[in-house]
Amino acid sequence: DQQVKQNSPSLSVQEGRISILNCDYTNSMFDYFLWYKKYPAEGPTFLISISSIKDKNEDGRFTVFLNKSAKHLSLHIVPSQPGDSAVYFCAASVQGGSEKLVFGKGTKLTVNP
Amino acid sequence: DTAVSQTPKYLVTQMGNDKSIKCEQNLGHDTMYWYKQDSKKFLKIMFSYNNKELIINETVPNRFSPKSPDKAHLNLHINSLELGDSAVYFCASSQAKGPKLFFGSGTQLSVL
Repeated sequence: DQQVKQNSPSLSVQEGRISILNCDYTNSMFDYFLWYKKYPAEGPTFLISISSIKDKNEDGRFTVFLNKSAKHLSLHIVPSQPGDSAVYFCAASVQGGSEKLVFGKGTKLTVNP
Repeated sequence: DTAVSQTPKYLVTQMGNDKSIKCEQNLGHDTMYWYKQDSKKFLKIMFSYNNKELIINETVPNRFSPKSPDKAHLNLHINSLELGDSAVYFCASSQAKGPKLFFGSGTQLSVL
């Protein structure tokens, strides 16, 4: 039962262009969403988050959009850089807590120079 | 200075053995976790430990047991290892059960 789905296992973009990573969820109780970035042989690192009371959160080149009615969120990276090449995990939690944090399978982003 | 460190990075062992993975965090966080990333790449929580309160994912076999000697350490003991235990195990910590986790670099466990 995948409550958090990242349907694209991989994405390839050119340096300087926009990267859009998508995430869908099924549990309407989720109210806090996070994106983590993972390089090979390292643990995931927190990138950006959004609460369900917002529909957009921006941090530098990274913007997360939340569409609650569609149960969909996306991460936009503009402009994409080769150093952004990593696996991106979407995660969702209930009441902003960690005990019910659910991760997607991840999307591998490759940014080509 | 690594915030969340876990050892060993690689662990290769035979079926039936008992092994431990150690984790330490120097962030002053009060909640620590163990996550398992299986062959399908899902990251699934195994345990969370906060102020001596242990919350266990009910799908985790009781061969797995976390041990916390103090707030900065959460070790994972695994008894009678099975082939299906092969995975990457991540330790993590957070402040006050918040969802923003800080992960260690993982331990690749291979059971032969």
